[in-house]
Amino acid sequence: GESVGLHLPTLSVQEGDNSIINCAYSNSASDYFIWYKQESGKGPQFIIDIRSNMDKRQGQRVTVLLNKTVKHLSLQIAATQPGDSAVYFCAEKMAGTYKYIFGTGTRLKVLA
Amino acid sequence: ETGVTQTPRHLVMGMTNKKSLKCEQHLGHNAMYWYKQSAKKPLELMFVYSLEERVENNSVPSRFSPECPNSSHLFLHLHTLQPEDSALYLCASSQEAGAEKLFFGSGTQLSVL
Repeated sequence: GESVGLHLPTLSVQEGDNSIINCAYSNSASDYFIWYKQESGKGPQFIIDIRSNMDKRQGQRVTVLLNKTVKHLSLQIAATQPGDSAVYFCAEKMAGTYKYIFGTGTRLKVLA
Repeated sequence: ETGVTQTPRHLVMGMTNKKSLKCEQHLGHNAMYWYKQSAKKPLELMFVYSLEERVENNSVPSRFSPECPNSSHLFLHLHTLQPEDSALYLCASSQEAGAEKLFFGSGTQLSVL
């Protein structure tokens, strides 16, 4: 069935190192993907998005990679900082629909 | 500040109570959403409104009743809830219904006793 999942529920990273959070999706018809960050006590916050006609998109310290062959999405955070500690989750969406399919999330812990 | 404000932040209610959650968006968006976030589960879409008209009801029990008086305000009326309804209820908005980027509020943490 349709699902978006995450390979690692918790990721611990040393401050200053790069972080990679992975996501698998199963709906090949999805054409839009998005990453959200959710800090404790807050709602999800948009980080970066990518359309299916792209395989890479960069933002400020973040990069999203899309591999449609294996239905895999990843979020890379460069020079991870303590403020990056949060739950990160991906979501997929098909054009013309209202519904996102969200992953359960990966908790990123930044070690000082 | 995301531009989407939810009140109250926390709510504790008994199963026989009636309460309402409120959401207001200051982004000029035309679509608003209610999502449910339970522990260790993905976000679940509950309702979608486009220009005050409900366009999606994702098989939500009738004890949850949404109301959208205008494109900036969204309510979720709660009545005779069950303990398993305890969760974080998130409001979101987007430029148009089905638009790609959702902007979320901070949510209402609901506990049903």
